[in-house]
Amino acid sequence: DTAVSQTPKYLVTQMGNDKSIKCEQNLGHDTMYWYKQDSKKFLKIMFSYNNKELIINETVPNRFSPKSPDKAHLNLHINSLELGDSAVYFCASSPEGGAYDTQYFGPGTRLTVL
Amino acid sequence: GQNIDQPTEMTATEGAIVQINCTYQTSGFNGLFWYQQHAGEAPTFLSYNVLDGLEEKGRFSSFLSRSKGYSYLLLKELQMKDSASYLCAPRGSGNTGKLIFGQGTTLQVKP
Repeated sequence: DTAVSQTPKYLVTQMGNDKSIKCEQNLGHDTMYWYKQDSKKFLKIMFSYNNKELIINETVPNRFSPKSPDKAHLNLHINSLELGDSAVYFCASSPEGGAYDTQYFGPGTRLTVL
Repeated sequence: GQNIDQPTEMTATEGAIVQINCTYQTSGFNGLFWYQQHAGEAPTFLSYNVLDGLEEKGRFSSFLSRSKGYSYLLLKELQMKDSASYLCAPRGSGNTGKLIFGQGTTLQVKP
């Protein structure tokens, strides 16, 4: 009965590789998010999709490309991985994505780039 | 600009009361969230304030003063399991649901 799930939980890879992280929510929410939490614990929004439409696109290198095949899934593809991409990536969802919505987070994917 | 300020670390004793303060500056304001994050885990929702005043929920309460750009989270009857990071997250203007997270306050509860 997991609400927001992510795979994989851990990802260790070499610089220059391309990798994907998958996220699924079974809450029936319309909006999904990707956040990056760095070593200093700052949690920063990267992208948000509402019903498969991109609504937030922060200043993120274009090596990062989100894809939402349907409103229950939001995947994150990263090309040409760099050392600075090492972080924990959290997926989240909220009912409508409006100003008063509560966001529910997935367990996170710890990405380590060597 | 947008800025959030919280103490980095706090220590308290089991059974005590602790108050975690947060000051913020945002472009517009659409409420403020508090999240709890245990080490290695996902942030989980604790509280939401959009109007001035105190919101109480069991052992946890959250206060907001919009005119002062100030909020606090009050934890009563501290338990060891309350050792975690507490993230203050105001929401700016617009209807995108975008949250701006502070660095968080790491609370250590000692016996």
